Parts: sequence; structure tokens; C-alpha cells
Amino acid sequence: DIQMTQSPSSVSASVGDRVTITCRASQGISSWLAWYQQKPGKAPKLVIYAASNLQSGVPSRFSGSGSGTDFTLTISSLQPEDFATYYCQQATSFPLTFGPGTKVDIK
Amino acid sequence: EVQLLESGGGLVQPGGSLTLSCAASGFTFNNYALSWVRQVPGKGLEWVSSISANGGSTNFADFVKGRFTISRDNSKNSLYLQMNSLRAEDTAVYYCAKGTAAGPYIFDYWGQGTLVTVSS
Repeated sequence: DIQMTQSPSSVSASVGDRVTITCRASQGISSWLAWYQQKPGKAPKLVIYAASNLQSGVPSRFSGSGSGTDFTLTISSLQPEDFATYYCQQATSFPLTFGPGTKVDIK
Repeated sequence: EVQLLESGGGLVQPGGSLTLSCAASGFTFNNYALSWVRQVPGKGLEWVSSISANGGSTNFADFVKGRFTISRDNSKNSLYLQMNSLRAEDTAVYYCAKGTAAGPYIFDYWGQGTLVTVSS
């Protein structure tokens, strides 16, 4: 099974800050990586697919990069609606696996 | 507008069975893979099972293999999860999720979730 790790597990940031979250796969997954945003009590929302592609309707302040085993999600200028938990997910092989999540909260 | 609406959750005793349904609308149902993902309240996301667009291929997490069955009825735009031999650790919110054209097991739409509670 491919293990996904994320760092940090939580980050406290202010509106306007640049935030970077890292996701690492235990083996190469090419670019088969997605990032999701989840707010309390809500379903996850796709933010980035195929490592670097912005999902339709997602603000351009979100960006993704990486391939192989190391990936990043960057929010260039944090907005109040971005405070949430972010998960990465590998989609290259079964079992599909998610990272443990990174909570972005208000400083 | 794409919509996924789960139903069938509830309280069930250990060892019992439950069938979850997911009614889909707003997209060409038989063109996309579908999956179930669960989440223990307050915890992370955990993939459960996936089924290909034509239903010919299914995959399961080890912790549900032999207990859960995934199926779809493309004539009814519906996805199902038959859950047998339920355990306390199966307690979670279960989401159905739609695959994308770019990757069948990347999820661009999710339902609102249905809570399954396994307890005596």
C-alpha cells in the first residue's frame, strides 16, 4: 500500500499569508495526486487534481506542484474562507489512500 | 448541476447489515467511476470501495473485503454499498464520490454523507 504523509499537521496563519502544505508518498505516484479542502460538517471539495491542475471554480490563489513522491499545495494569499483541513490523496493504485490532513486555522 | 444524495445510514447492531444508496443526477452516470469514502467524525478520510463506469471492475479496502459489496444500476443512476457483518469500527460518515474524466479515482463531486452507527 502507498502511504501518504502530510506536513505540517496544522498551521496557524493570518489572512494574506502564504501557506504551503507538503504531501509525500511512500513510493512514486507520477502525478496522480489530488488535494481536497474540507470544512467542518461538510463534504470534501476537490481543489487540485493531477498534482498541479486547478479544479474548475477554485480561486487561482491555490496552486499545486510536484511529481513522483513529493508534492506541495500553496495558498498564495490566505483568505477567510480558506480556513479548513486539507487532504492529499493518491490515485495511482488501490487501495486509494489519503494523507492524514493539515488543518489551517486562524492565528 | 451534479448532485449525489446518499441515503440508508442509521443505527445497526454489531454483526448486522445495512445498504447505502447514492442517487446521482446532473451528469452522464454511466461514463464515470464511483466510489465510497468514509470518515469517522473528527478523523481523516478513508477510501472504502470503487466501481468502474460499466460496473465491470470493483475494488475494496482490505478492512471491508468480504463484508461489503459495491454495485451500481446505470438505468437508475444509482450507486449502492451493501454492508454485512458490521463492526463498531465501521461507524463513520459514508460519502459517495464521483470520479473525474482526468482520473476515475480522483473525486470532483461528493455527496453530503450518511452516518452509519454500529452499536448495541
